[in-house]
Amino acid sequence: DAGITQSPRHKVTETGTPVTLRCHQTENHRYMYWYRQDPGHGLRLIHYSYGVKDTDKGEVSDGYSVSRSKTEDFLLTLESATSSQTSVYFCAISYGGASYEQYFGPGTRLTVT
Amino acid sequence: GQQLNQSPQSMFIQEGEDVSMNCTSSSIFNTWLWYKQDPGEGPVLLIALYKAGELTSNGRLTAQFGITRKDSFLNISASIPSDVGIYFCAGQLYGGSQGNLIFGKGTKLSVKP
Repeated sequence: DAGITQSPRHKVTETGTPVTLRCHQTENHRYMYWYRQDPGHGLRLIHYSYGVKDTDKGEVSDGYSVSRSKTEDFLLTLESATSSQTSVYFCAISYGGASYEQYFGPGTRLTVT
Repeated sequence: GQQLNQSPQSMFIQEGEDVSMNCTSSSIFNTWLWYKQDPGEGPVLLIALYKAGELTSNGRLTAQFGITRKDSFLNISASIPSDVGIYFCAGQLYGGSQGNLIFGKGTKLSVKP
């Protein structure tokens, strides 16, 4: 158990509304990631963080923003949700340094109607 | 972007059979990771490989880091019903940014009807 929780676990929202997903870790890892998982596409990186207030874009960052004001929390925000953002979102953490191993949270299923 | 070709896409197993799957790429990787995902859950790390030619086991699972550093293999011996799920490979590109893993699209293991 890598000590990662995600909230909410399920959410249904309407097009155009803002949505924030939270990832919380209890093990003080430096690196945190947000992925989305869609059929036919596998796992795709949205944004990642390499420290408090240090973030960078991933492969599919358009329409998403992130914030990390504390080591333990990494927030993913959809400023104005669209139906194409219906997906399962996973948070992951890693120790960094020489280790590239990532450990995943349980996921958030988001439906945008 | 970079791609990993994971095969087969799906396969059916009968209890007791051995299973093999692989990931290939045209690029060189520093690290290969193998994950298993059960329905409704996040991927769980099974095996991590860091050196070309490395062969690592985790119970009935054995994975190898290809000599060319462009491929990896996962074998499951004497399969049991709880092996059913989706298996993902992931690789860290040589010279790539920390944490920017590339994921295969998965191999879905199902029980033979």
